[in-house]
Amino acid sequence: QITLKESGPTLVKPTQTLTLTCTFSGFSLTNSGVGVGWIRQPPGKALEWLALIYWTDNKRYSPSLKNRLTITKDTSKNQVVLSVTNLDPVDTATYYCAHSTVFYDSSGYYSYFNYWGQGTLVTVSS
Amino acid sequence: DIQMTQSPSSVSASVGDRITITCRASQDISSWLGWYQQKPGKAPNLLIFAVSSLQSGVPSRFSGSGSGTDFTLTISSLQPEDFGTYFCQQANSFPYTFGQGTTLEIK
Repeated sequence: QITLKESGPTLVKPTQTLTLTCTFSGFSLTNSGVGVGWIRQPPGKALEWLALIYWTDNKRYSPSLKNRLTITKDTSKNQVVLSVTNLDPVDTATYYCAHSTVFYDSSGYYSYFNYWGQGTLVTVSS
Repeated sequence: DIQMTQSPSSVSASVGDRITITCRASQDISSWLGWYQQKPGKAPNLLIFAVSSLQSGVPSRFSGSGSGTDFTLTISSLQPEDFGTYFCQQANSFPYTFGQGTTLEIK
C-alpha cells in the first residue's frame, strides 16, 4: 500500500524559505520508473505542478517559480524535500506531494500522479 | 507552456445521466493526457492516464478519448459519488500543466 504524507510549517512570513518534507511508504525511490512530485493548489483555484524528482535523481522544476525551488530525496529515509525560497502571500496554497509512475522512452519521461498525500495548507503572511 | 482549457467550467446533472467534459491543449500533446477527480478538502485522485487507460480501481463508467489537442472525459451513467471537480493534466512536456477544472454537481 502506497502512502505519502506532507509535513512542514503551516504559517511562514514573507521572504522566508519554506521547507516541506514528504514521507512515503510502500515504494522505493530507487526503483526504476518511479518519481515523486510536488503540486500546489491556492484556495479555490487550480492545481499547479512545481517539481519532480526521479529514481535516477534527475529533477525537473516549474520555470514560473524562477529558481526558487529545490527538490531532493533521501532514499534511506523514504523522504523527498521541497524548498521554496523568498515566499510571498501568493504562495499561500495547499501543497501536495504525489507518487508518479513514470513512462519513459528515447524522447523523455512522462508522469502522472497516481498516489497523493493529504496535502498541507501553507499560509504566507506577516 | 502548454495551456489546458476545460469546458464547461461547471455542470449540473442527474443520476443516470451521461456527461462529457472537454479538455483542449494549446499544442499537440500526443496521448499524454490524464484526468483527475477532486472532492472538497481532499487530494486529487487519478482516474485516467494516457487518454483512455483506466487507473486501477476506477469504475468502468469513466472513459476517455481524444488525441493531439482535443480530449474528452465521459461518465456514462452518473452516480451520486461522482460529484466534485475534474482536472485534466498534460504530461507531454515540462512544465506539466493542469486545466482550470470542471465542477460537477449532482442535481
